[in-house]
Amino acid sequence: EAQVTQNPRYLITVTGKKLTVTCSQNMNHEYMSWYRQDPGLGLRQIYYSMNVEVTDKGDVPEGYKVSRKEKRNFPLILESPSPNQTSLYFCASSSPVIQEEKNTEAFFGQGTRLTVV
Amino acid sequence: LAKTTQPISMDSYEGQEVNITCSHNNIATNDYITWYQQFPSQGPRFIIQGYKTKVTNEVASLFIPADRKSSTLSLPRVSLSDTAVYYCLVGDPPTGFQKLVFGTGTRLLVSP
Repeated sequence: EAQVTQNPRYLITVTGKKLTVTCSQNMNHEYMSWYRQDPGLGLRQIYYSMNVEVTDKGDVPEGYKVSRKEKRNFPLILESPSPNQTSLYFCASSSPVIQEEKNTEAFFGQGTRLTVV
Repeated sequence: LAKTTQPISMDSYEGQEVNITCSHNNIATNDYITWYQQFPSQGPRFIIQGYKTKVTNEVASLFIPADRKSSTLSLPRVSLSDTAVYYCLVGDPPTGFQKLVFGTGTRLLVSP
């Protein structure tokens, strides 16, 4: 089954304690990205990756790091979490090429609800 | 990436057809139009994608006029489970879909 898996689903942590949210996809997709979703602000992209070892900032990258050492994994790292990073996080993956009879769609993970106190 | 404009919210009743229109005046020649559905606390889910005219799948239809400056997502005979937020996105799949730009979407509420 094609899927994007995020872990953990829920996390409560304290300010300043480094954490990593993992993301893995089994579709051999080149593109992966992270989003955060906050009430009234919609989905905002944090970082994206076009392939292994290729990453770039999205709209709200401050306070986050990512790495893409393997095609299937794209972890999101918060070196020193702060309360304003309390949010719902989504990882997504997609393939860049439109193939005939096949849509170019992004697949999203189940989400990680992070609370920083 | 082209900017999109959608209604903030819509109300409907079970069994009715719902049409959600998205405006994208600055759509580029290579851009495709894609719609996603999102339930509370879940990731967005792909619904339909098209380039021109009409596209239909098992859950929805997408109507795109000749000038492609707008598009309409049509949900036939909605049920309570169609209550969700619907996002319209415009972009060039080979080069732009790595950076999906979600607006605030349209919140659809289906009542009995």
